[in-house]
Amino acid sequence: NAGVMQNPRHLVRRRGQEARLRCSPMKGHSHVYWYRQLPEEGLKFMVYLQKENIIDESGMPKERFSAEFPKEGPSILRIQQVVRGDSAAYFCASSPGQGGTDTQYFGPGTRLTVL
Amino acid sequence: GEDVEQSLFLSVREGDSSVINCTYTDSSSTYLYWYKQEPGAGLQLLTYIFSNMDMKQDQRLTVLLNKKDKHLSLRIADTQTGDSAIYFCAEEGSQGNLIFGKGTKLSVKP
Repeated sequence: NAGVMQNPRHLVRRRGQEARLRCSPMKGHSHVYWYRQLPEEGLKFMVYLQKENIIDESGMPKERFSAEFPKEGPSILRIQQVVRGDSAAYFCASSPGQGGTDTQYFGPGTRLTVL
Repeated sequence: GEDVEQSLFLSVREGDSSVINCTYTDSSSTYLYWYKQEPGAGLQLLTYIFSNMDMKQDQRLTVLLNKKDKHLSLRIADTQTGDSAIYFCAEEGSQGNLIFGKGTKLSVKP
């Protein structure tokens, strides 16, 4: 049973370009969370999605950032017109979305560098 | 508001016990978590504790929860060099998201 998959693992963009980060949740998981980790910092929540729905995007910047989790395919975090301050590690986590602990399992992350 | 605090560094000798402490603010968290992050890697779930428990033991790991003081600790017995990593404490936010501390960097000296 594969874990949470993220790609690419490393992404380099120039200022003004677009970055697309992909996350495939664990098999059987219907909930996806995106977090951002700045250097020397903990992870900060960005957005919580279920299939075809955004449940909570309170941690996501209002401009340039968007996320989706379509019925088929991976979840996508999209950053338009990237700036240097977007350089960070972006982690996706998935959970089954059932009762109980609903533990989140993390992917290996995408490390975005903006030149 | 929701906040999680941890000390940033801990250094121990191989074979000693390590104790990593954490304080949190949201008393409504049903579960509290410890994650481990090795350099350049994602977060690995180590253990979690239900909020109505005081203690949970899992092999070399012991989690203690003082709900009154909102204090959580992780004890690693017989610490090994392979335990060197950053350890994150996390509480649950109001929407099911996790709220992390900044992490405690554990260094294990041989």
